[in-house]
Amino acid sequence: SQTIHQWPATLVQPVGSPLSLECTVEGTSNPNLYWYRQAAGRGLQLLFYSVGIGQISSEVPQNLSASRPQDRQFILSSKKLLLSDSGFYLCAWEGDTKNIQYFGAGTRLSVL
Amino acid sequence: QKEVEQDPGPLSVPEGAIVSLNCTYSNSAFQYFMWYRQYSRKGPELLMYTYSSGNKEDGRFTAQVDKSSKYISLFIRDSQPSDSATYLCAMSAGDYKLSFGAGTTVTVRA
Repeated sequence: SQTIHQWPATLVQPVGSPLSLECTVEGTSNPNLYWYRQAAGRGLQLLFYSVGIGQISSEVPQNLSASRPQDRQFILSSKKLLLSDSGFYLCAWEGDTKNIQYFGAGTRLSVL
Repeated sequence: QKEVEQDPGPLSVPEGAIVSLNCTYSNSAFQYFMWYRQYSRKGPELLMYTYSSGNKEDGRFTAQVDKSSKYISLFIRDSQPSDSATYLCAMSAGDYKLSFGAGTTVTVRA
């Protein structure tokens, strides 16, 4: 069966520090992968999606970037974190049934 | 106007009651409709999905889609305290992207 791993679960970082969040999917090949951010009381905001290795589409211009170095690995990065980058970050993959996405456990990021 | 509107609640019901949740949307191209359950500080968990209009039932959960009214619903029968969570609706036009409602927070009182 397919599983998605996301880490770390919680992260506290100072303003101006770099960021790297990792997401891996097991049990499938060439999945579509997604990064979302969820603010309190608001819906999920799509940040990036990828349909293959090295293929990244950005939905919202901001202080973040994404990379897909391997088929089942998706990384969210920042060179210098801002206070506004705080939030709950979720990785998702699209299953065999297209347009249906499954989420990881999320990373709660606090930038202080 | 948001593409997907969902009443954030909160909604509080006694154990055993029927929980009724709904979303409205504006994009007539949406074809895929999903409901996710999200417990506090956890990732969303897919509950049900439907394609196009109609009803779908899975145990205590029933999802309904009315494309003519651009309205979807989720019903939870015989609600339990373990159903206390935030419920998110989501929909897609088939273009890799999901549009989400803001989520409705539900509390089932024992």
